[in-house]
Parts: sequence; structure tokens; C-alpha cells
Amino acid sequence: QLQLQESGPGLVKPSETLSLTCTVSGVSINSGTYYWGWIRQPPGKGPEWIGSIYYTGKTDYNPSLKSRVTISLDTSTNQFSLKLTSVTAADTAVYYCAKRSFGRRPYDSWGQGTLVTVSS
Amino acid sequence: EIVLTQSPGTLSLSPGDRATLSCRASQSFSSGYIAWYQQKPGQAPRLLISGASSRATGVPDRFSGSGSGTDFTLTISRLEPEDFAVYYCHQYGSSPPWTFGQGTKVEIK
Repeated sequence: QLQLQESGPGLVKPSETLSLTCTVSGVSINSGTYYWGWIRQPPGKGPEWIGSIYYTGKTDYNPSLKSRVTISLDTSTNQFSLKLTSVTAADTAVYYCAKRSFGRRPYDSWGQGTLVTVSS
Repeated sequence: EIVLTQSPGTLSLSPGDRATLSCRASQSFSSGYIAWYQQKPGQAPRLLISGASSRATGVPDRFSGSGSGTDFTLTISRLEPEDFAVYYCHQYGSSPPWTFGQGTKVEIK
């Protein structure tokens, strides 16, 4: 059974870099069957798509975050990662990793989410 | 970017009632690429509907989706106690960024 689990610091200082990892179990991220994505949800608000990556390394990013975001794969550990630079309080949110199937499909499996607070 | 506007913001209903949730897109896009999610406190969103009207695996048939163009609807035919939650629509039909609505909370009256 496919499972996703986020990990990383729960507190990041303003202007620093937020780094999160998603560990995938139950399927190889190299399979080519899925896209792997990051979605965040500020407290009390709707989700916001951050970006996604395919096993080839092809990425898509939300234009509103593109200048600050990097998503990468580590096939040796079956993980993918998110880096968000120059964070501010507006980046405080629950961050989810998720997967969607190849083709035009919605995200159908999500990790439990991890709260990241930006504060000094 | 396609903006999704959900209405109402809050729906106050009783178990057994019918719930009708609306999602309107700021522009028309690839038809049918709308999904609906249910989210309970402290949990990740759960996919209910994809392709505007196809129920995900394990989703009860009291949940149904409809719509086209820019107007989409999620209907819960008879509310069960476990259905009180926040619901989000999500479009994945246009080029990135894929977007979500701001949510409709279905609360117990």
C-alpha cells in the first residue's frame, strides 16, 4: 500500500530556507506511473499547489513561488524533497506531499502533513 | 491562473439533510477536470470526486458531482454524522498552476 510521510523542521527563521522530505513507501518513485507533488495549506485557508516532479526529473512549479522553490528526487532513498528559500511568515502552513497518477489526474494520496512555522 | 470560488462559505444542516455545494471557476477550462475533497480537522484532504462526477474508490454513493464549463456542484444526498467537514474543489485541467477553492464548511445545525 502506497504511503507518503513528510519530515523536516517545524520551525524556520525568516529569510532562511525551508527544507522538507517526503518518504514514499509501497512503490518506487522511479516507476513513471506517478507525479510527486507538494501542496501547502495556511491555517484556516484552502490548499495551495506548490509544484511537482516526475521520475525523469521534470518539474512544474507554481509561478507565484517559482523563484524560491526547488523540488528534487532521491531515487536511492525513495524520497523527494522541497526547498523554499527566503521564507516569511506568509509561508507558515501545513505542508503535504502527495501523488497523482500520470496523465490528467488529481492528487489522490496525501501524506499526513507537517506544520512549518516561520518565526524568529 | 484559474480562481475557484466556493459557495456558501458555511452550510448549517442536520443529519439526513441534502447538501449542495457550489464551485465556480473564473474561466472555462478543460472540461471535467474538477475534483472534490473532504477534510476533517487535523487530517489531509481525502479525494471524493474526480473528473467532475466520478467517485473515488470507497466513496459512498450519497456523494455525487456534476457540472461543466465554469459551474460545478457537489451534492451529498443525505448527510451522515461523519460528513460534517470542510469540502474543497480543485481544478487540474489547465496548465499549471492547479488551484483549489477556499472551502465550504458543512456544520451541524
